[in-house]
Amino acid sequence: EAGVVQSPRYKIIEKKQPVAFWCNPISGHNTLYWYLQNLGQGPELLIRYENEEAVDDSQLPKDRFSAERLKGVDSTLKIQPAELGDSAVYLCASSSEGTGLRNEQFFGPGTRLTVL
Amino acid sequence: GENVEQHPSTLSVQEGDSAVIKCTYSDSASNYFPWYKQELGKRPQLIIDIRSNVGEKKDQRIAVTLNKTAKHFSLHITETQPEDSAVYFCAASINYKLSFGAGTTVTVRA
Repeated sequence: EAGVVQSPRYKIIEKKQPVAFWCNPISGHNTLYWYLQNLGQGPELLIRYENEEAVDDSQLPKDRFSAERLKGVDSTLKIQPAELGDSAVYLCASSSEGTGLRNEQFFGPGTRLTVL
Repeated sequence: GENVEQHPSTLSVQEGDSAVIKCTYSDSASNYFPWYKQELGKRPQLIIDIRSNVGEKKDQRIAVTLNKTAKHFSLHITETQPEDSAVYFCAASINYKLSFGAGTTVTVRA
């Protein structure tokens, strides 16, 4: 079974530039998550999708961050414009929710963003 | 929202000894507690998890205990090996939303 795929793996941009990250979840997983992981910290949830619906985006800084999952499969996270403090690893995860199932989330390798 | 605290932040153990990591959570509604292992530059991977209706779970050299009354849970690794060196994260979940601790860097000395 293929795991969660993310691209690019690394991205270096100058501040005020836009950037986008792409995620392909595990096949059949209806729930997709975007997390932010700062150095030396645990992941922090940015947004959670169930199919194509964003069911929890309370932690997403909506002034500069946006996300979409148009067909309920792949997802894109965008930052425009990027700031120095956005430098971090952006992790995508997916899970298959359901009664009685574990809530196990499978993580992708992440995109390491450096804003100069 | 849920707040998860994790201790210690770093842990160095001699190969073959045990390692214990402790976490506390704030919201009594949390019902799922996974532990993730993250090696340098790699993705977090689930190593063990426990639900709120279970007090203890073991998988080979790894065990997790949960005390719902005190709102804390712990990871125990026995007979540590060099490949156990990594960052370990605890998390607590309410309605599929995971809140992570800050992580424990475990170093196993040969």
